[in-house]
Amino acid sequence: AQKITQTQPGMFVQEKEAVTLDCTYDTSDQSYGLFWYKQPSSGEMIFLIYQGSYDEQNATEGRYSLNFQKARKSANLVISASQLGDSAMYFCAMSATSGTYKYIFGTGTRLKVLA
Amino acid sequence: ETGVTQTPRHLVMGMTNKKSLKCEQHLGHNAMYWYKQSAKKPLELMFVYNFKEQTENNSVPSRFSPECPNSSHLFLHLHTLQPEDSALYLCASSQAGTSVTDTQYFGPGTRLTVL
Repeated sequence: AQKITQTQPGMFVQEKEAVTLDCTYDTSDQSYGLFWYKQPSSGEMIFLIYQGSYDEQNATEGRYSLNFQKARKSANLVISASQLGDSAMYFCAMSATSGTYKYIFGTGTRLKVLA
Repeated sequence: ETGVTQTPRHLVMGMTNKKSLKCEQHLGHNAMYWYKQSAKKPLELMFVYNFKEQTENNSVPSRFSPECPNSSHLFLHLHTLQPEDSALYLCASSQAGTSVTDTQYFGPGTRLTVL
């Protein structure tokens, strides 16, 4: 069965420090995509970064990078130089086939950036 | 307007009311989605439309009725809801919904309260 696991319900980080949010996944597919979204208290899910299963380089988007370790089936999000505005829920998701292409989401990690 | 918009942002309704949620995407996408986000539960996919055709109904009760008149608009018609249906309802769109690289973009959500 396809599954996304986020084991950290909550995390704290000091402003300007880096933080890693963990995500592991399970799939038997060879081709899949991994995504990270940010959800502030306003509710909107904001797309941050994408990693394809065949991508050899780790994805980066500004202060966000994805630490992709295929053999370990992990896709951790690294946020560098944390800002107060980074405080939010963060969701890891995987695109799965299972007949139709759709996302499977993890349960999320709540990040709090401290001043 | 840009991105994905949803109206209303907040809705309070009684169990006997009929209401509709509206979603519009301005991204030229061909796939649209409805998700339900309840407190302390993972995001639940409800419906998927590809090129106006429903391709996924994730065992959603019939009191939720989707409608997709064209690739830019998606509605969720609500009738005789239960208090446990209170949640954040998120709409998303993607280019085609047929590839693992397909990135979904979300609207701000409608926070629904059923009394």
